[in-house]
Amino acid sequence: GAVVSQHPSRVICKSGTSVKIECRSLDFQATTMFWYRQFPKKSLMLMATSNEGSKATYEQGVEKDKFLINHASLTLSTLTVTSAHPEDSSFYICSARGTAWNGYTFGSGTRLTVV
Amino acid sequence: RKEVEQDPGPFNVPEGATVAFNCTYSNSASQSFFWYRQDCRKEPKLLMSVYSSGNEDGRFTAQLNRASQYISLLIRDSKLSDSATYLCVVNNRGGNTGFQKLVFGTGTRLLVSP
Repeated sequence: GAVVSQHPSRVICKSGTSVKIECRSLDFQATTMFWYRQFPKKSLMLMATSNEGSKATYEQGVEKDKFLINHASLTLSTLTVTSAHPEDSSFYICSARGTAWNGYTFGSGTRLTVV
Repeated sequence: RKEVEQDPGPFNVPEGATVAFNCTYSNSASQSFFWYRQDCRKEPKLLMSVYSSGNEDGRFTAQLNRASQYISLLIRDSKLSDSATYLCVVNNRGGNTGFQKLVFGTGTRLLVSP
């Protein structure tokens, strides 16, 4: 149980375009979703936390207008990287928590390359 | 100072060796503690939770020292399949929001060779 499906797993986009990443909880209700970014050989850095039906809370230094997070339902959260630039190239991972258990379930990650 | 600090390694060990990883955390109010394993270009996966009383799962033993804010992981009888990056993770309550959130160390890379 407790599976989070994240897609796409890999995306290459042109500079200036927007990319949407989806995370779906398949067998539980994800009341809280966390979005992380990981640069090569670095730790996962939390970008934002979202609760279903509420606005996301962004970590210091993360531009909310650039990284749009929508958590409109208990099974779906999306992260949209707007006007992507090469420096946005990274590994983006979501993680979900539900009400039924106290753990964190991670999606499989999205590798974004902006050219 | 980083919230969670680990030696990045790599630790190169032969099969069958015992290897220990250490981690320190800065927030004395941290509530729970974990070791995650991350393979190259994959998501992190929970290896085990860490308790003050110490806990063991097969070849893996984890220990927490709250007074020293220090966490350890011991791997006995290393296997080739243990090669990965081991992430020390603490669960903190966010300052402004009160949300709980995981804070990751940079990870310690382990390479087990035949």
